Amino acid sequence: DQQVKQNSPSLSVQEGRISILNCDYTNSMFDYFLWYKKYPAEGPTFLISISSIKDKNEDGRFTVFLNKSAKHLSLHIVPSQPGDSAVYFCAASARNAGNMLTFGGGTRLMVKP
Amino acid sequence: DVKVTQSSRYLVKRTGEKVFLECVQDMDHENMFWYRQDPGLGLRLIYFSYDVKMKEKGDIPEGYSVSREKKERFSLILESASTNQTSMYLCASSLTGELAEAFFGQGTRLTVV
Repeated sequence: DQQVKQNSPSLSVQEGRISILNCDYTNSMFDYFLWYKKYPAEGPTFLISISSIKDKNEDGRFTVFLNKSAKHLSLHIVPSQPGDSAVYFCAASARNAGNMLTFGGGTRLMVKP
Repeated sequence: DVKVTQSSRYLVKRTGEKVFLECVQDMDHENMFWYRQDPGLGLRLIYFSYDVKMKEKGDIPEGYSVSREKKERFSLILESASTNQTSMYLCASSLTGELAEAFFGQGTRLTVV
């Protein structure tokens, strides 16, 4: 049973517009959430994270929102650029589970010029 | 910069062979992980280690074993490779503690024929 789910396998967005990637989780013990970006034939790279004590974290064009009551988080990319085209993975960890990350299935983002 | 290096980018092995995947990190991280990535399933944890000679099973340990004799090196072993172990294998490392992100290697694409 997947504890972290990304229900959209793919998303296509026009350059300059907003990209919104969504993630849902079921384990209420998760208290730290991360987004990773992955290009083909490369390992995932860390993008942005958020602790459960916050509801928003911003880093340049990237913002992550956390809704604990809904067990939902989202990544907003504004403005989207063609170089953002990649697979995005949502991940979560729980303090009592060390630093073990549980990943969602990923969303392939395509930004069209 | 943290560097996590996996010994091979691409491997082709025969069914029944014993396969070794090696991973080295240079940032003195306590934790090391092995994941496999399959389409639609995201990254699934095979094994992790939080200290030298310590190991814990992840979500899908069957058919795999690991070895951590030195802090910087974490090896994944496929005891008898099977075609359903054809996948992208990703090694990661992290510090221990809250809000610690994982850093990934470039991945090994293993094909078992």
